[in-house]
Amino acid sequence: EPEVTQTPSHQVTQMGQEVILRCVPISNHLYFYWYRQILGQKVEFLVSFYNNEISEKSEIFDDQFSVERPDGSNFTLKIRSTKLEDSAMYFCASNIHHSNQPQHFGDGTRLSIL
Amino acid sequence: RKEVEQDPGPFNVPEGATVAFNCTYSNSASQSFFWYRQDCRKEPKLLMSVYSSGNEDGRFTAQLNRASQYISLLIRDSKLSDSATYLCVVNNQAGTALIFGKGTTLSVSS
Repeated sequence: EPEVTQTPSHQVTQMGQEVILRCVPISNHLYFYWYRQILGQKVEFLVSFYNNEISEKSEIFDDQFSVERPDGSNFTLKIRSTKLEDSAMYFCASNIHHSNQPQHFGDGTRLSIL
Repeated sequence: RKEVEQDPGPFNVPEGATVAFNCTYSNSASQSFFWYRQDCRKEPKLLMSVYSSGNEDGRFTAQLNRASQYISLLIRDSKLSDSATYLCVVNNQAGTALIFGKGTTLSVSS
């Protein structure tokens, strides 16, 4: 069964450094998403992306965050200047059509900010 | 009112038990509803979509009451492997994001 893949599985970064999290969505999917989950808390929506533009973003997704689809397969999340509170699991997801189709999640990147 | 609200549990049940989880959501414009399952420190995995008419998948039955903005999940004949956190999920009004509940933890013991 096709799956969403994410790299790296664990990223440790010094506060203030830039970090890029990578995702390869399922190949025929058109809608891409990033979510985060702080330890012990619920999964929170960050951003959705379609046709090379952001469809929607949450208030968490401030100017420090950006997304890009640099080629036909990768979908990246960049955090420009990391803060301690950015430590979380970051999940990428994709689906064929956004409205009523379930989203399929990658196995996540654990981001630890020191 | 929280967007998606669930009883956090934990629910501790013996193998073979029937267990029910409930969920309420605040946005009456939500159109899509799901139950996801999350194992410890893993990604959410789709368990089932929830339809207005109710739907069943093996031992799992989901119900939706739009008037009450209420979703339920029933698990029959619980297995040890059902131990996980069950996430109630709805989409936002635009359909561009999923909104998650905090999850209900189930522990099935032998």
